[in-house]
Amino acid sequence: SYELTQPPSVSVSPGQTARITCSGDALSELYGYWYQQKPGQAPLVVIYKDSERPSGIPERFSGSSSGTTVTLTISGVQAGDEADYYCQSADSSGTFVVFGGGTKLTVL
Amino acid sequence: QLQLHESGPGPVKPSETLSLTCTVSGGSISSSSYYWGWIRQPPGKGLGWIGSIYYSGSSYYNPSLKSRVTISVDTSKNQFSLKLSSVTAADTAVYYCARHVRELDYFDYWGQGTLVTVSS
Repeated sequence: SYELTQPPSVSVSPGQTARITCSGDALSELYGYWYQQKPGQAPLVVIYKDSERPSGIPERFSGSSSGTTVTLTISGVQAGDEADYYCQSADSSGTFVVFGGGTKLTVL
Repeated sequence: QLQLHESGPGPVKPSETLSLTCTVSGGSISSSSYYWGWIRQPPGKGLGWIGSIYYSGSSYYNPSLKSRVTISVDTSKNQFSLKLSSVTAADTAVYYCARHVRELDYFDYWGQGTLVTVSS
């Protein structure tokens, strides 16, 4: 089965930059997406098509792609950014949607 | 503003069938651009895609659940539904419905989720 691999946790101090990576073979061909999930809430897409930001998402959130890895970057991290972040893509045949295991962002 | 809302009968006993309905408001489920999907999240764990359906009834499922899952759509009610058979405690999760942008394969609108507990 196809998998996306994320680090379980990332910790940063307020004002610093957080980078969360997601690796998977199909990411070299398909887009990656990023969701933010706060406790008790539904996921919210913060980056789509590797690097596009939906309306209403702060410019502090950005995305990039290189080879088989996509990266979510949060600049000037704030306490309110503390959440779980999930990457998502599909298998190369487009018949299977897959989520990464999630990364817990802790703001120290 | 598009809204999705999950509803269901509550706790399910092991070996029974879990049934949930997602009601879409603020937009038509018959839009040609979108599929409609189900995703679940066991307590304290990550997200898992269950399957997605088009308004025409065309559907596709996570291979790991395919033998137990049926997703259907009722365009007259602007709803789509999930049935998961032969449930066990491992199926206890928050179940989300979401709009699936099929061309890009991601979920842009989500319901608030509903916790389904499998317990005798």
